[in-house]
Amino acid sequence: SAVISQKPSRDICQRGTSLTIQCQVDSQVTMMFWYRQQPGQSLTLIATANQGSEATYESGFVIDKFPISRPNLTFSTLTVSNMSPEDSSIYLCSVEGLFTGAGQETQYFGPGTRLLVL
Amino acid sequence: GQQVMQIPQYQHVQEGEDFTTYCNSSTTLSNIQWYKQRPGGHPVFLIQLVKSGEVKKQKRLTFQFGEAKKNSSLHITATQTTDVGTYFCAGGYQKVTFGTGTKLQVIP
Repeated sequence: SAVISQKPSRDICQRGTSLTIQCQVDSQVTMMFWYRQQPGQSLTLIATANQGSEATYESGFVIDKFPISRPNLTFSTLTVSNMSPEDSSIYLCSVEGLFTGAGQETQYFGPGTRLLVL
Repeated sequence: GQQVMQIPQYQHVQEGEDFTTYCNSSTTLSNIQWYKQRPGGHPVFLIQLVKSGEVKKQKRLTFQFGEAKKNSSLHITATQTTDVGTYFCAGGYQKVTFGTGTKLQVIP
């Protein structure tokens, strides 16, 4: 399985500011994703980070609020812009890896970034 | 859009009792995956099912994919305190839709 790291692991931010979260993978992967998990809730896909092109955003998420970069096959960033308390969540990056033997695909998650906006 | 619901939302069991969580999708799923998230942790992949009616076992955990590929279940036999966490089902390739999750608490 892939080893995924995220920085920062947690942060407390003031409303109106922006935070950039980094996701680093120890091997080249085709698909990288960013999820949000609000307190006590399930995971919601924010966007697919595409290498060399603009990210693909899910309904309810826009590039101005969540700009994403993917300069290569091992790294991506998610910025949470102009933050408000409603942005307080865990932000997780994930990658798809090959499921051994069957050629199927599953997802491996980074440890997450716990964000609190005051 | 596709919705994936899980029941129950919460479950408290005495250690040694069995536990089952059910996953239901509004649409047919190409596959079903199960993840476990420990308190304060991130989701960890447990297993994937792709065939209609498929059943897989991992020690005390039994996973089942429905015949119509719209539902799934996870059954844990003789729960232990290490089973504590939230269990999520998820469906789809690449753009995975996560279920609402079932939070399991095991009372020693």
